[in-house]
Amino acid sequence: QKEVEQNSGPLSVPEGAIASLNCTYSDRGSQSFFWYRQYSGKSPELIMFIYSNGDKEDGRFTAQLNKASQYVSLLIRDSQPSDSATYLCAGGGSNYKLTFGKGTLLTVNP
Amino acid sequence: KAGVTQTPRYLIKTRGQQVTLSCSPISGHRSVSWYQQTPGQGLQFLFEYFSETQRNKGNFPGRFSGRQFSNSRSEMNVSTLELGDSALYLCASSFQGATEAFFGQGTRLTVV
Repeated sequence: QKEVEQNSGPLSVPEGAIASLNCTYSDRGSQSFFWYRQYSGKSPELIMFIYSNGDKEDGRFTAQLNKASQYVSLLIRDSQPSDSATYLCAGGGSNYKLTFGKGTLLTVNP
Repeated sequence: KAGVTQTPRYLIKTRGQQVTLSCSPISGHRSVSWYQQTPGQGLQFLFEYFSETQRNKGNFPGRFSGRQFSNSRSEMNVSTLELGDSALYLCASSFQGATEAFFGQGTRLTVV
């Protein structure tokens, strides 16, 4: 069973802090990785994607990928209460599907 | 640019009935994937269609089926509904499967 595992959480950080979300995957054939944000009662929203080893930055978000360690992470700098949501990590490969982790609930406290 | 549109948003059905859900992808996207989301299991892959062809299917019983039309719109059907089918059904569209995928608002199905 090819899986994506996320740190279970929940994760609570104060406003302005860095939130670190982690994910490991078992399928070495996975080529692309995605982070989705899902607010309660809403559908997942794509916030970052990364295909190559290293870091990718977009505003307050940085995605990191280490294929050798099969590890993906998302850093949220200057966390805001509006960042409070469940964050889903997903991996994609040649089988045309995304495999999702169970998600990490992040709460940013004012 | 319009996003992914799913209809209906909410459904209440009785055990044993069947249901059809619809998904219109983002214009230009030819891949449509369907996922079931429940609190216990998270997001589970149902199937993926590209140019009217099913390219992958998840580990769900045959009661779950789908199709895609020539305009890339997709439908999924669940027959002989069971209580355990109650879930949020999400459709995602992308240029190619397993690339950047954008979700619709989902259909919340409740089976009573």
